[in-house]
Amino acid sequence: DVKVTQSSRYLVKRTGEKVFLECVQDMDHENMFWYRQDPGLGLRLIYFSYDVKMKEKGDIPEGYSVSREKKERFSLILESASTNQTSMYLCASSLWRQPQHFGDGTRLSIL
Amino acid sequence: AQRVTQPEKLLSVFKGAPVELKCNYSYSGSPELFWYVQYSRQRLQLLLRHISRESIKGFTADLNKGETSFHLKKPFAQEEDSAMYYCALGDQGAQKLVFGQGTRLTINP
Repeated sequence: DVKVTQSSRYLVKRTGEKVFLECVQDMDHENMFWYRQDPGLGLRLIYFSYDVKMKEKGDIPEGYSVSREKKERFSLILESASTNQTSMYLCASSLWRQPQHFGDGTRLSIL
Repeated sequence: AQRVTQPEKLLSVFKGAPVELKCNYSYSGSPELFWYVQYSRQRLQLLLRHISRESIKGFTADLNKGETSFHLKKPFAQEEDSAMYYCALGDQGAQKLVFGQGTRLTINP
C-alpha cells in the first residue's frame, strides 16, 4: 500500500519565520505535489514536481518554494511565514498518469 | 482555464434516500475526471475516476461532455457515506489536478 508521510500533523510558527514542511513517499513515484486545503476553497495546488530537482509552479505559488533533492522527498518552504498562510497542507504523490495518493496533512498555524 | 464547480457546499439527505453530488467543469481539451472523498479524521482518497467506469461503495459517476458535468450518484445513501467529497479535473495527462470547492455530505439516520 502506498505510504505518503508528512512529518508533522500540527505545527505552530510565528510570523516571519522560515517554515519547512516535509513529505516522504515510499513507492518510487515520479510525481509529487503540495496543496493547501481551505474551507470553501477546496484544494489549491502550490507546487509540483515530475522528477528530482525539477519543480513547477501551481496555481498559488506566491510566498512558497519547494525542494526535491531525492525522489522520495518533497519539501515545502515558507520563506517568511505570514498569517494568511495558516491552513491545512496536503502532500500527494503519483506514478505517471495514475491517481494521486495523499498524506494525512499538516495543520499549520502562523501566529 | 480549467475550472471545477461544485455548487453545493453542504448536502443533507436521509438514510436510504438517493444522493447526487453535482460537479461541472470547464476544460478545452479531453478531460479526465475524478471524485475524491475524505472521511472524518482520514486522509483524502480516490473514490472513482471516469475512465474506470466502475462503481465504488455503490457510487457511480458518468461523464457528460455535452453538459460538461460529472455528477456523483448513489441510489440508497448510508450513514457511512457522510464525508467531504471533491470533484477533480486532470490535465497534462492527469498529472496535475484542479479541485472543486468540495461538498460536505451528511446522511441523517
